[in-house]
Amino acid sequence: KNEVEQSPQNLTAQEGEFITINCSYSVGISALHWLQQHPGGGIVSLFMLSSGKKKHGRLIATINIQEKHSSLHITASHPRDSAVYICAGPNYGQNFVFGPGTRLSVLP
Amino acid sequence: EPEVTQTPSHQVTQMGQEVILRCVPISNHLYFYWYRQILGQKVEFLVSFYNNEISEKSEIFDDQFSVERPDGSNFTLKIRSTKLEDSAMYFCASSAGWGRDTQYFGPGTRLTVL
Repeated sequence: KNEVEQSPQNLTAQEGEFITINCSYSVGISALHWLQQHPGGGIVSLFMLSSGKKKHGRLIATINIQEKHSSLHITASHPRDSAVYICAGPNYGQNFVFGPGTRLSVLP
Repeated sequence: EPEVTQTPSHQVTQMGQEVILRCVPISNHLYFYWYRQILGQKVEFLVSFYNNEISEKSEIFDDQFSVERPDGSNFTLKIRSTKLEDSAMYFCASSAGWGRDTQYFGPGTRLTVL
């Protein structure tokens, strides 16, 4: 069964800290998506990765295809970064498999 | 910036009733999706839709569920006879392509079945 796992499950950081969230996935996922779910429930797509590294503002996502592992980094974290971060991927087709999410709280 | 919209934002219904959740995807997108998230749990795939037919569906998407694109702009999810366990947040999403393309999510409809 194809799965997506994330760690940590919960993360509390002080404003300004560098944050890393990890995602491991099993075979079948051809590209990995990082999503952000706001406290109100809305979901925003942050990145789609099939190789290498992508950067957008203070967010950096990396993927290692051989190890089936991806990381999301947040530099200079801010309270507004507080959200649930989810990795997900298409499982051989269009059936998306979602990780359980990492709940991030950034304290001022 | 174009966005996916969903209506209603919150729907309360009695068990056994039919509900229709509505979504307006981004206009030039070709792939449409429904997901659900039971409170406190992870997001789950329900169904994907392309070229006016279902492309893929999960085990959750049983005969009680159906999807339709009735008029070229709306994309609907119908639950024929709601059960208590259907209570969840339902998200619609759309993408220009599939798999490797970014999906744009709607704000969700919270369905409460009493």
